[in-house]
Amino acid sequence: AQSVTQLGSHVSVSEGALVLLRCNYSSSVPPYLFWYVQYPNQGLQLLLKYTSAATLVKGINGFEAEFKKSETSFHLTKPSAHMSDAAEYFCAVSEDSGGSNYKLTFGKGTLLTVNP
Amino acid sequence: EPEVTQTPSHQVTQMGQEVILRCVPISNHLYFYWYRQILGQKVEFLVSFYNNEISEKSEIFDDQFSVERPDGSNFTLKIRSTKLEDSAMYFCASKGDGQFYEQYFGPGTRLTVT
Repeated sequence: AQSVTQLGSHVSVSEGALVLLRCNYSSSVPPYLFWYVQYPNQGLQLLLKYTSAATLVKGINGFEAEFKKSETSFHLTKPSAHMSDAAEYFCAVSEDSGGSNYKLTFGKGTLLTVNP
Repeated sequence: EPEVTQTPSHQVTQMGQEVILRCVPISNHLYFYWYRQILGQKVEFLVSFYNNEISEKSEIFDDQFSVERPDGSNFTLKIRSTKLEDSAMYFCASKGDGQFYEQYFGPGTRLTVT
């Protein structure tokens, strides 16, 4: 069974500082991995995805994530935080559970606060 | 840009009442999902739907829940007799065909059971 662990329910950074949000996964087969962002009172928006091509994945808004199989990790980074990055971030794993279903299993989320 | 829409944005109901949450997936998508997020907890998979039938459901999705695609555009989640613990944000998602396609989420319906 697949699972996702996000270390740190709340991360606070200063504007301009590095953002690092941690995600570790467990999957019995090569996984597909996703980062979603949720702004207040909005739905889940895809930031980036890993689908077994390049291990370094670039997404929207300057975010990127690196898939490390040996560490079963898919950490999300951004070199310089912006106030508009304040949101909740969810890591998710997907595997084919039959019939090309690819349901998502989410982590608990990390709330990112950006201080001026 | 195409988007998934959900109505209502907020539903308040009394315990024991039936509720129907509505979703309009992206028009050329073939896979449809419902997830829920209880306040302060993770987003959880409820059910997936493909080719007019349920393809997978979680243990949360018991006999009180049902899904339907009544008219080729809407995708609904019905809870027959709501319980207090059904209070949550319910997200609809849709996906195109193919393993590399991501799921697109709607803005959610906040269900409050009193």
